[in-house]
Amino acid sequence: RKEVEQDPGPFNVPEGATVAFNCTYSNSASQSFFWYRQDCRKEPKLLMSVYSSGNEDGRFTAQLNRASQYISLLIRDSKLSDSATYLCVVNSNTGNQFYFGTGTSLTVIP
Amino acid sequence: NAGVMQNPRHLVRRRGQEARLRCSPMKGHSHVYWYRQLPEEGLKFMVYLQKENIIDESGMPKERFSAEFPKEGPSILRIQQVVRGDSAAYFCASSPSRQNEEPQHFGDGTRLSIL
Repeated sequence: RKEVEQDPGPFNVPEGATVAFNCTYSNSASQSFFWYRQDCRKEPKLLMSVYSSGNEDGRFTAQLNRASQYISLLIRDSKLSDSATYLCVVNSNTGNQFYFGTGTSLTVIP
Repeated sequence: NAGVMQNPRHLVRRRGQEARLRCSPMKGHSHVYWYRQLPEEGLKFMVYLQKENIIDESGMPKERFSAEFPKEGPSILRIQQVVRGDSAAYFCASSPSRQNEEPQHFGDGTRLSIL
């Protein structure tokens, strides 16, 4: 079983739509969770950390469900500039590694 | 630019040559991570280093690959006797501490092409 699994998509949504991504992780001892975005052929960029109580940053909301071992990302009022691949990241039980999901592709359509 | 600096951005090598990829972490960061990304795939952890120490190299192939992070200078990922399968984007990331709740900041990556 992979450490982190994501639905690869693609998700094609119209501008203004709300879209949600889920990610599951296998290691119940994981403590740190992040969402990154990666544009085509560019480096991953931190979008937001995911906290136990859930957190929001503008149009983006992240949730953590430890019991079911998944994290989610909700994007409201999608913009064209949101088009990217969204990577779910979870730390290893040793703390030495971060495991990246293969990413979920989002295209926002005018 | 105080971000993670990687060079070269693009590197072309012939089979059997050596490739050296360099990474200077963000100012104040002493922890460096190397990842490899194949086309249409996710990032795969290779190695985690702190100044002068390899902390975890469990993701690095046992042969031909090595990494270092000297006291002075950038971290180096070295690939000897490159093969076609080494063609990939290699990303370096840094963080300020070993605390794993700190997010990593990535460099622009080095695109390695093997002819």
